[in-house]
Amino acid sequence: DGGITQSPKYLFRKEGQNVTLSCEQNLNHDAMYWYRQDPGQGLRLIYYSQIVNDFQKGDIAEGYSVSREKKESFPLTVTSAQKNPTAFYLCASTRRGPRGESNEQFFGPGTRLTVL
Amino acid sequence: QQQVKQSPQSLIVQKGGISIINCAYENTAFDYFPWYQQFPGKGPALLIAIRPDVSEKKEGRFTISFNKSAKQFSLHIMDSQPGDSATYFCAATNAGGTSYGKLTFGQGTILTVHP
Repeated sequence: DGGITQSPKYLFRKEGQNVTLSCEQNLNHDAMYWYRQDPGQGLRLIYYSQIVNDFQKGDIAEGYSVSREKKESFPLTVTSAQKNPTAFYLCASTRRGPRGESNEQFFGPGTRLTVL
Repeated sequence: QQQVKQSPQSLIVQKGGISIINCAYENTAFDYFPWYQQFPGKGPALLIAIRPDVSEKKEGRFTISFNKSAKQFSLHIMDSQPGDSATYFCAATNAGGTSYGKLTFGQGTILTVHP
C-alpha cells in the first residue's frame, strides 16, 4: 500500500529535550511538508522540501529543524528552543505534475507530542 | 495577503440538512482551492478541490461554489449525515508557482450532524 507513515503516534518529552518525529512516504512524491496543528488555528506550515538535500522555512520554523537526505524521508526535530511544542504534528507530501503544477497533498496520520 | 479566512468555527446540522462552510482569500495568485476532511486523531484527507476556471464542482453530496470576483469559495454538504461529523479545512495555493503546493489553510470548521 502506498502512503505516508509517521512515528511514533504519541510522544512525550521532558522540557529541555530535543525529539525527532519520523515521516516516510512510498508515493515517490517530490515535495514533503511538516505542519503543526493546534485547536482553533488550522494547520501551520513549519518546513517544506521540494527536492532531496533542500528545504525551506515555513511560517513557524523557529525551534524546529529538518533534513531531507532521501526522497522518501523527511524527519522533523523539535528542539528545546521551541517554547510551546505540545501539538499535533502532520507530515504531508505531493507530486509535481507534468507542467510543474502541484497536485493533491497527502497527509500522514500525525504524531501527538506532549511536553511534560 | 496569504490569509484564508474560514467561517463558521463550528456548525451543528440535523441529519438530512445542508451544511455550508465559507472561505475568503486575499491573494489573487491562488489558483487551486482544496477542501480537507479530518476525523479526530487522524490526518486530513482531500475531499474535493476546484480551480478558478469553473464556478462550481460537484462530487456526490459535496459541492464547491467559487466566486472569483469576490475571492470567496464555499463547501456545501447536501443531505448531511452523522458520518460527516468532522473538522473541515479549506485551503488555497498557487499550484503552478514557485510555492510548489505550499497550502495556506483556513482555521477549520467543526461540523456536528445530529441523527
